[in-house]
Amino acid sequence: EPEVTQTPSHQVTQMGQEVILRCVPISNHLYFYWYRQILGQKVEFLVSFYNNEISEKSEIFDDQFSVERPDGSNFTLKIRSTKLEDSAMYFCASSGTAGVSTDTQYFGPGTRLTVL
Amino acid sequence: QKEVEQNSGPLSVPEGAIASLNCTYSDRGSQSFFWYRQYSGKSPELIMFIYSNGDKEDGRFTAQLNKASQYVSLLIRDSQPSDSATYLCALRGGYQKVTFGIGTKLQVIP
Repeated sequence: EPEVTQTPSHQVTQMGQEVILRCVPISNHLYFYWYRQILGQKVEFLVSFYNNEISEKSEIFDDQFSVERPDGSNFTLKIRSTKLEDSAMYFCASSGTAGVSTDTQYFGPGTRLTVL
Repeated sequence: QKEVEQNSGPLSVPEGAIASLNCTYSDRGSQSFFWYRQYSGKSPELIMFIYSNGDKEDGRFTAQLNKASQYVSLLIRDSQPSDSATYLCALRGGYQKVTFGIGTKLQVIP
């Protein structure tokens, strides 16, 4: 069964450093997402991406964050200058094939980001 | 602001019993409703989605939606220890963003 994959599974970085989290969505999906979950808190939407542009973003997704689909398979989340409060599990998700409802979002296993 | 409210639990049920998980939401414009299961340290895994008022059954799971009362529930019949997890209620409005509740931790006691 197709699945979303994410690398790395765990990323440790120093405050102020840039990190790039990588995702490979399900191959025929058209919509891509990033969510985050701080330990013990809700899963929070960050951004959705369709047709090579951001379609929706939350107030969390400020200028420190960016997303990119650099090729036909990868989808990345970049945090330019990490803060301690960026420590969280980051989930990539994908949904929607041509002509089919985009509702059901399938989640990857997540990348645990630890900012020291 | 779409809010999804759930009792964080834990909800403890004996093995073989019915577990009832509840969720309320604030935005009447919400269109799609989801139940995800999340094991500790893992990603959300979709169990069911429901769009229309009434019940929707899938194996041991039944989702119930009442838009007038802004209420969604999930029933798990014949609960098993492997069902022990956190159950996330989620909804989508007119866009792609899915809003999650805090989740209810379910413990099935053998």
